[in-house]
Amino acid sequence: AQSVTQPDIHITVSEGASLELRCNYSYGATPYLFWYVQSPGQGLQLLLKYFSGDTLVQGIKGFEAEFKRSQSSFNLRKPSVHWSDAAEYFCAVGSTEIIRKTSYDKVIFGPGTSLSVIP
Amino acid sequence: DTAVSQTPKYLVTQMGNDKSIKCEQNLGHDTMYWYKQDSKKFLKIMFSYNNKELIINETVPNRFSPKSPDKAHLNLHINSLELGDSAVYFCASSPGQYNGELFFGEGSRLTVL
Repeated sequence: AQSVTQPDIHITVSEGASLELRCNYSYGATPYLFWYVQSPGQGLQLLLKYFSGDTLVQGIKGFEAEFKRSQSSFNLRKPSVHWSDAAEYFCAVGSTEIIRKTSYDKVIFGPGTSLSVIP
Repeated sequence: DTAVSQTPKYLVTQMGNDKSIKCEQNLGHDTMYWYKQDSKKFLKIMFSYNNKELIINETVPNRFSPKSPDKAHLNLHINSLELGDSAVYFCASSPGQYNGELFFGEGSRLTVL
């Protein structure tokens, strides 16, 4: 079964500092990997995704993530954090499964990391 | 136009009542989902429908009954509400077909008193 862990429940960084949010997954094959961001009172928005190919993926808002198969990790990074980046960040693992001859995407989320930014 | 819209955004009700949350997507996606986010922000999948057909039911109590009248709509009806049902419920859709990306609504915050 798929699972996702995010070791850091809460992280605080100063504005302008670099950021790395950790994510580890468990899945038998190569999964789809995602990072989503949730601003207060909002739904989740996709930051970036990895399906295959280049293990360093670029996303929106200056974020990037690196897939490391040997470590089962997909850590999110940003070189310089802005105050508006304060939010909840979710790592997710997805797979396509077949039920009754229908393919569907199953996405499991990690517990989230809450990011606070000090001005 | 909002891609995935849910109504109502806020819902406050008494224990034992029955309530519904509606969801509509205008993205033309085949697959829709309900997720529950608890007070600790943990997101758990509840149901998934593909083209009006139930695909996933993640051991959700029978008091929760999803209904999909067409592939653009997925409603959630909850009977006999309990305190533990208080949460934010998110509707999402995906194009499926080995894509995996989810498009979320803004959530419906349910408070059971």
